[in-house]
Amino acid sequence: QQQVKQSPQSLIVQKGGIPIINCAYENTAFDYFPWYQQFPGKGPALLIAIRPDVSEKKEGRFTISFNKSAKQFSLHIMDSQPGDSATYFCAAKYSGGGADGLTFGKGTHLIIQP
Amino acid sequence: DAGVTQSPTHLIKTRGQHVTLRCSPISGHKSVSWYQQVLGQGPQFIFQYYEKEERGRGNFPDRFSARQFPNYSSELNVNALLLGDSALYLCASSLVRGVTEAFFGQGTRLTVV
Repeated sequence: QQQVKQSPQSLIVQKGGIPIINCAYENTAFDYFPWYQQFPGKGPALLIAIRPDVSEKKEGRFTISFNKSAKQFSLHIMDSQPGDSATYFCAAKYSGGGADGLTFGKGTHLIIQP
Repeated sequence: DAGVTQSPTHLIKTRGQHVTLRCSPISGHKSVSWYQQVLGQGPQFIFQYYEKEERGRGNFPDRFSARQFPNYSSELNVNALLLGDSALYLCASSLVRGVTEAFFGQGTRLTVV
């Protein structure tokens, strides 16, 4: 059972464009939603995270939009650069009892063309 | 300031063997989690350790085990290796348990032949 569904699987955007990556979750108990960036051969790096009590969060060129009623959240990258080319993962976590790990989406392979 | 360090970076093992992977968290962090990332997929949660005790476990067989030491470093052990265990094994460090940022190491690439 895939609890976090991520789309698209791959995305090509011209430099300066705004790639948008979407995620949907099923478990309403999730209360922490981070995005990670991963380059080939490296571990995931935390980009930005949001809690369900806010609808939007910006950090630099990265923005998360969160829709609690729809159980969806998305990542926008403003003024995208070739150096942003990487695989992006959304994730979700439940801070209550039981397993205390992140549930990841399958990832989006993003290419920013010069 | 050192981040999360994992060793070794690459490892090749034969089916049926045992493997031990190591992780040192960020200084001051007390929680360590382990994840398995198969090529082309997102990481999957294996274990979380906090204050040297297992606090959470994902859907992995008993062949997988881990422990955390008094200095908060951790080991992941996998017995009776299968070809399907070939993956990038990631360690994540958090300050405390619960909803806090998790920072990943570069991973250990395990290949089972």
